[in-house]
Amino acid sequence: QKEVEQDPGPLSVPEGAIVSLNCTYSNSAFQYFMWYRQYSRKGPELLMYTYSSGNKEDGRFTAQVDKSSKYISLFIRDSQPSDSATYLCAMKSGAGSYQLTFGKGTKLSVIP
Amino acid sequence: DAGVTQSPTHLIKTRGQQVTLRCSPKSGHDTVSWYQQALGQGPQFIFQYYEEEERQRGNFPDRFSGHQFPNYSSELNVNALLLGDSALYLCASSLLAGVVETQYFGPGTRLLVL
Repeated sequence: QKEVEQDPGPLSVPEGAIVSLNCTYSNSAFQYFMWYRQYSRKGPELLMYTYSSGNKEDGRFTAQVDKSSKYISLFIRDSQPSDSATYLCAMKSGAGSYQLTFGKGTKLSVIP
Repeated sequence: DAGVTQSPTHLIKTRGQQVTLRCSPKSGHDTVSWYQQALGQGPQFIFQYYEEEERQRGNFPDRFSGHQFPNYSSELNVNALLLGDSALYLCASSLLAGVVETQYFGPGTRLLVL
């Protein structure tokens, strides 16, 4: 079992839809949770950063972490064609560990 | 404010050769991490450099080595290239502020091994 599981998609939605992206993980030591957006042939861009459980909102984006279920989500409201990209979840454990562990990424297409 | 920069953007090598990739961190950042991203996969951690020392290493062979310079820039060296080393190599820089450390990625170097 991989440490971080993420459905690679592809996921195709109409413009204006609410998008839900998810990751599950097996390592209970993970405490920091991130979502990155990666456009084709570009480096990942940090979207959201969450520590421990709870919700965090930034504009059209909401990140949720449920540590009891080892499950994290990213919601995108009023999706736009410019949101079309691959979304990567990433996780990090606490002090003394510096590496990010990524999911495979979910490829999202928002159709005008 | 310049972000993370990497050079070259693309590189083609043959099996058995050696390659050096370069990274300049975001202004004010002192830590550099390297990741390998194969096609259709998430990035895999290679190692992290801080204060010119390798601070943590992922599950990569000794053929992968690195260096950090006093100006915080970094190099990734790969010896005895294999076909399987073909990937996008990403550099990420960060600054440890308290317990919060967020990594910002460069555009990557795309390496093709023939």
